Amino acid sequence: DAKTTQPPSMDCAEGRAANLPCNHSTISGNEYVYWYRQIHSQGPQYIIHGLKNNETNEMASLIITEDRKSSTLILPHATLRDTAVYYCIVIRTTSGTYKYIFGTGTRLKVLA
Amino acid sequence: NAGVTQTPKFRVLKTGQSMTLLCAQDMNHEYMYWYRQDPGMGLRLIHYSVGEGTTAKGEVPDGYNVSRLKKQNFLLGLESAAPSQTSVYFCASSYSRQDLNYGYTFGSGTRLTVV
Repeated sequence: DAKTTQPPSMDCAEGRAANLPCNHSTISGNEYVYWYRQIHSQGPQYIIHGLKNNETNEMASLIITEDRKSSTLILPHATLRDTAVYYCIVIRTTSGTYKYIFGTGTRLKVLA
Repeated sequence: NAGVTQTPKFRVLKTGQSMTLLCAQDMNHEYMYWYRQDPGMGLRLIHYSVGEGTTAKGEVPDGYNVSRLKKQNFLLGLESAAPSQTSVYFCASSYSRQDLNYGYTFGSGTRLTVV
């Protein structure tokens, strides 16, 4: 499974869009990009995943570059409750095991 | 639905004691996982299971054993606890359809302290 690189921390003003980047330059064609977040000491929460097309759900949007070497998670209107650690993970979903390897993620702080 | 339930939520053990952490899910998920998270670090996979009766090692399996006798339960055992096993333990489950994994559902964690 491809390795990911994320900035350790970011700040965002409340009400503004939060754009969290992830680099996965070694991604292969059958690997998906997944995003999770962990609020304080709770269990991580699934946000969104994608292969090559941009994806949107009620929580966020996922933009994957055409070459698939990087992606951006967008929280369109960040609130204080979005303060969390965000993890970008790349896995091959045909592996039959779907075991994630978590990095240290990006600590997003939403400022009032 | 309860989702993923972990028992207990907190525990303090003395070095050398044993204990079992229970994870139960009511979503009929095939896959279950145990992770540990140390302060300021990401999650590390201990063991996982791809179905009832199966288990496999993750990144950091030493000092732990697991069992998946029933599809809905995944047990994590510490035979002889050590201070290095002080951590927060998270259980997760997931399902897939047509080889696409639809994400993990995590429990709320078990905070274990070994003194």
